[in-house]
Amino acid sequence: GAVVSQHPSRVICKSGTSVKIECRSLDFQATTMFWYRQFPKQSLMLMATSNEGSKATYEQGVEKDKFLINHASLTLSTLTVTSAHPEDSSFYICSASNTYEAGGYTFGSGTRLTVV
Amino acid sequence: AQSVAQPEDQVNVAEGNPLTVKCTYSVSGNPYLFWYVQYPNRGLQFLLKYITGDNLVKGSYGFEAEFNKSQTSFHLKKPSALVSDSALYFCAVRDRNSGNTPLVFGKGTRLSVIA
Repeated sequence: GAVVSQHPSRVICKSGTSVKIECRSLDFQATTMFWYRQFPKQSLMLMATSNEGSKATYEQGVEKDKFLINHASLTLSTLTVTSAHPEDSSFYICSASNTYEAGGYTFGSGTRLTVV
Repeated sequence: AQSVAQPEDQVNVAEGNPLTVKCTYSVSGNPYLFWYVQYPNRGLQFLLKYITGDNLVKGSYGFEAEFNKSQTSFHLKKPSALVSDSALYFCAVRDRNSGNTPLVFGKGTRLSVIA
């Protein structure tokens, strides 16, 4: 089945540094990638939608200059948290739309970001 | 606008007993409906989905869900709960005709199966 590989699974960084999270679709072409953020004991909140080769569309309240999304190829999308602060600590999950399958969404395994 | 309601934050059930996790939805057209399970510090694991056809959908690990259009519900069920089923469960929806749009998730229901 369709697989999305997300790395790293856990990262701890210092305040002010940047962190890059990668999501790769391993056996299908992900024309669209969705990025979610999940706070403890809460649901997934959509941050942005990225389509291959074009700029990402951000949800209201999400700072596009802070959360940089790149989707340069059909198999790779990245989320970079720039100048991270402790309030950015969260669980980030990507989801690729698999157009070969009706209602096909494949989720990455998530990245636990802790900013100290 | 699309939305999902999971009215229960927590569901407790004894091992071996049947379990139900409730979900109702709202979409303007016909829905795609999904159930996912999440274990601590892990991503979402797909359980089952309703696209079209038979209203009773069978999925992974013995779970099933029934699409009820008149009640706009898609409750998750399992005849006999296992302790290993204890996890966080999410219901999600998307309008079938909305193109390549993201899923909208409910707030999640924590299932605790007690031995």
